[in-house]
Amino acid sequence: QSALTQPASVSGSPGLSITISCTGTSSDVGNYDLVSWYQQHPGKAPKLMIYDVTKRPSGVSNRFSGSKSGNTASLRISGLQADDEADYYCCSYTGSSTSFGGGTKLTVL
Amino acid sequence: QVQLVQSGAEVKKPGASVKVSCKSSGYTFTSYYIHWVRQAPGQGLEWMGIINPSGGSTSYAQKFQGRLTMTMDTSTSTVYMELGSLRSDDTAVYYCGRSYYDSSGPDNWGQGTLVTVSS
Repeated sequence: QSALTQPASVSGSPGLSITISCTGTSSDVGNYDLVSWYQQHPGKAPKLMIYDVTKRPSGVSNRFSGSKSGNTASLRISGLQADDEADYYCCSYTGSSTSFGGGTKLTVL
Repeated sequence: QVQLVQSGAEVKKPGASVKVSCKSSGYTFTSYYIHWVRQAPGQGLEWMGIINPSGGSTSYAQKFQGRLTMTMDTSTSTVYMELGSLRSDDTAVYYCGRSYYDSSGPDNWGQGTLVTVSS
């Protein structure tokens, strides 16, 4: 059982937007602005998409954005494209370790 | 460019140990922490622990305490992850990843190493 809770799946049509939530506790997500998001295509290593809740690494499309409210962080993907179809994982510092969410499968309809 | 290159796939019997390497290049080895994360078939990512190549201090997830050891060789910019007392549910792809702070998630990842535990 993951410490961070994500929906198992989300879907959206090309060009539209989706949001993936990541719910933790006041000991992890709620206590640190240290949430990151990863995209993983089948058979590939994870790729960093968002770090420190809202920051985008160089080279990541500005269609990806992050936010946080209380114990829940969110990843928003706008202008959905076929290549966005992948698994997405949130990750948070817990004060003594790091924890991942269970992952969300994004389907682009 | 930053690269983390891991050793090849392994097949081990239950009760054995496995040692996976992660060789870094393209950056100052001692300036970034190395995490180990695993992914069982069809499952999500699971954080195992972290090592600081500057000094060698480690922190392991409680689940792996006692059978997980992380070491490093600064002369070759390589970190090693050794997991002992292997069970069938340790079958997974094991990834290394680097981060600048120990409180951050990895920003670059190795390609993954499949470890299969089977009798």
